[in-house]
Amino acid sequence: GAGVSQSPRYKVAKRGQDVALRCDPISGHVSLFWYQQALGQGPEFLTYFQNEAQLDKSGLPSDRFFAERPEGSVSTLKIQRTQQEDSAVYLCASSQQRGPGNTIYFGEGSWLTVV
Amino acid sequence: SQQGEEDPQALSIQEGENATMNCSYKTSINNLQWYRQNSGRGLVHLILIRSNEREKHSGRLRVTLDTSKKSSSLLITASRAADTASYFCATDEAQAGTALIFGKGTTLSVSS
Repeated sequence: GAGVSQSPRYKVAKRGQDVALRCDPISGHVSLFWYQQALGQGPEFLTYFQNEAQLDKSGLPSDRFFAERPEGSVSTLKIQRTQQEDSAVYLCASSQQRGPGNTIYFGEGSWLTVV
Repeated sequence: SQQGEEDPQALSIQEGENATMNCSYKTSINNLQWYRQNSGRGLVHLILIRSNEREKHSGRLRVTLDTSKKSSSLLITASRAADTASYFCATDEAQAGTALIFGKGTTLSVSS
């Protein structure tokens, strides 16, 4: 596609509910990133994939957060037993490859509100 | 954790004026990038400056990088109301391991 596509754009979840957020990166992009952005803050790194391999998950805040990219294209970020502090915008980004100088393109984000 | 710190946190100017935003960071970097984010939208890449570059231009944007001071500035000349947005600097750390590290951003408001 022309850009990084994320769905759903908006999600309201009841506390304790599981949610799944989908990311379609730009076609052919090897690298895929997930970020979490709280209101009024900058994006915080969650995890990084190169093709289907999850090379860095150091930013995932707890074991309730899980991400996968089984075929090296579409990625899903899953949050189990959501808590109010999980309310944020979840941004997906992709780039042609990992490395200095590669522009990272962001999607519009999935806005999660946990009530 | 966030590496970059933007300054000021908020900036209000009139159309036609120049806007300058600063960013400081802590570790050695490969490059520094600036992004814009309109309210409720995703991040849009503006410009990338490599660690061996000192200045870069793109249209009305001018970015400088001073690696000795670990700082960068973004200048928007002849600002327009459409430039109203949040601006973030993001660093690509020399010690590879994670992706871009973002600051907290500067909120720019341009009034007509």
